[in-house]
Amino acid sequence: DGGITQSPKYLFRKEGQNVTLSCEQNLNHDAMYWYRQDPGQGLRLIYYSQIVNDFQKGDIAEGYSVSREKKESFPLTVTSAQKNPTAFYLCASTPSGTGTSEQYFGPGTRLTVT
Amino acid sequence: AQSVTQPDIHITVSEGASLELRCNYSYGATPYLFWYVQSPGQGLQLLLKYFSGDTLVQGIKGFEAEFKRSQSSFNLRKPSVHWSDAAEYFCAVGPPSGYSTLTFGKGTMLLVSP
Repeated sequence: DGGITQSPKYLFRKEGQNVTLSCEQNLNHDAMYWYRQDPGQGLRLIYYSQIVNDFQKGDIAEGYSVSREKKESFPLTVTSAQKNPTAFYLCASTPSGTGTSEQYFGPGTRLTVT
Repeated sequence: AQSVTQPDIHITVSEGASLELRCNYSYGATPYLFWYVQSPGQGLQLLLKYFSGDTLVQGIKGFEAEFKRSQSSFNLRKPSVHWSDAAEYFCAVGPPSGYSTLTFGKGTMLLVSP
């Protein structure tokens, strides 16, 4: 089945540690996105990538880093510089060649930092 | 800058009753418009989208939405709500071309009473 996978579903880390969240898609989509979701805040864009080896900062990129070495993969690293990393993280992608901005989402990773 | 307003944080509807969730947007041109639904702890699922043409669009799960340019609105409706519709609903807008980022509203939580 085609889709977007995010792993793990739940992630626990100690404060001061970097942690990498995985996002993989087998949909052959060009563009991929990372969002952060907090209760009552909606979705806030962290980073996005429209093509391999290129990515742009979103609205809340501070304390995060990404890479896009393969079309299928867009991992997100939450660094120790992120002041409030505990949140629900969502990865999304946009179909290629449609000329539209619709996005399809993975199941999310809940990160808890203590 | 574009923005999306979902005026209702929570809505409670009786099972079998009709539903309307409000969405107002601010955008320089006619944007692409989307409604997504999110069950607790899950990713977002695309319900429907409007790009152009007929201003009444049909989506999955019996939902529809109407684009009203004069009111900058894209309200979501369902004639008869089922208990399984209880979830959070997000309205989003994006530019009318190509890959780009979406702007999301903060969501409306739908509660369904027996």
